[in-house]
Amino acid sequence: SQKIEQNSEALNIQEGKTATLTCNYTNYSPAYLQWYRQDPGRGPVFLLLIRENEKEKRKERLKVTFDTTLKQSLFHITASQPADSATYLCALEGRGYNKLIFGAGTRLAVHP
Amino acid sequence: DTGVSQDPRHKITKRGQNVTFRCDPISEHNRLYWYRQTLGQGPEFLTYFQNEAQLEKSRLLSDRFSAERPKGSFSTLEIQRTEQGDSAMYLCASRGLAGRTNTGELFFGEGSRLTVL
Repeated sequence: SQKIEQNSEALNIQEGKTATLTCNYTNYSPAYLQWYRQDPGRGPVFLLLIRENEKEKRKERLKVTFDTTLKQSLFHITASQPADSATYLCALEGRGYNKLIFGAGTRLAVHP
Repeated sequence: DTGVSQDPRHKITKRGQNVTFRCDPISEHNRLYWYRQTLGQGPEFLTYFQNEAQLEKSRLLSDRFSAERPKGSFSTLEIQRTEQGDSAMYLCASRGLAGRTNTGELFFGEGSRLTVL
């Protein structure tokens, strides 16, 4: 069955450093991969989308890579700030453009 | 506010009771999705609509769950004979059809938190 794996342990980093979060998947060939941010008690908020034929996407301090051979996406936040502390969700979608399947998320804590 | 709105935000009920949640999507969005999320987990897909048509329903979804989108605008999610295992955050999201100007992102509401005692 399709499986999406994100680090279940929280990632703790120092302010100013680069945070790198990992999303691995199996038994799936997604056409699109998205990253969302979720704060406690709130709905997820879209950050970035990357297509299967794209290697890298950037938006301000955010960078996403997508390696369909390794079946992995990396999500980077450069110059991290305490305000970046949240849970980050990876989501995959096939070519049918029907539904997104989410990973369990990784909690990021940025310390001053 | 032109975002996705959900009502109620919180619902506490006793086991065996029926509950209904409402979602008002962004007005120009054709697709509406329901997800369920429990603590420490990501959103789990339940069902989705394109306009008023329910196109897919999760095989994991019990028959006690039913969703409607009668006029292709707002949607309701009803849970009959609630069980303690139904306690979760129920998230609604919407988006437009695929196209050049559509990034494919989902716009989520703030969720309806259900507690079954």
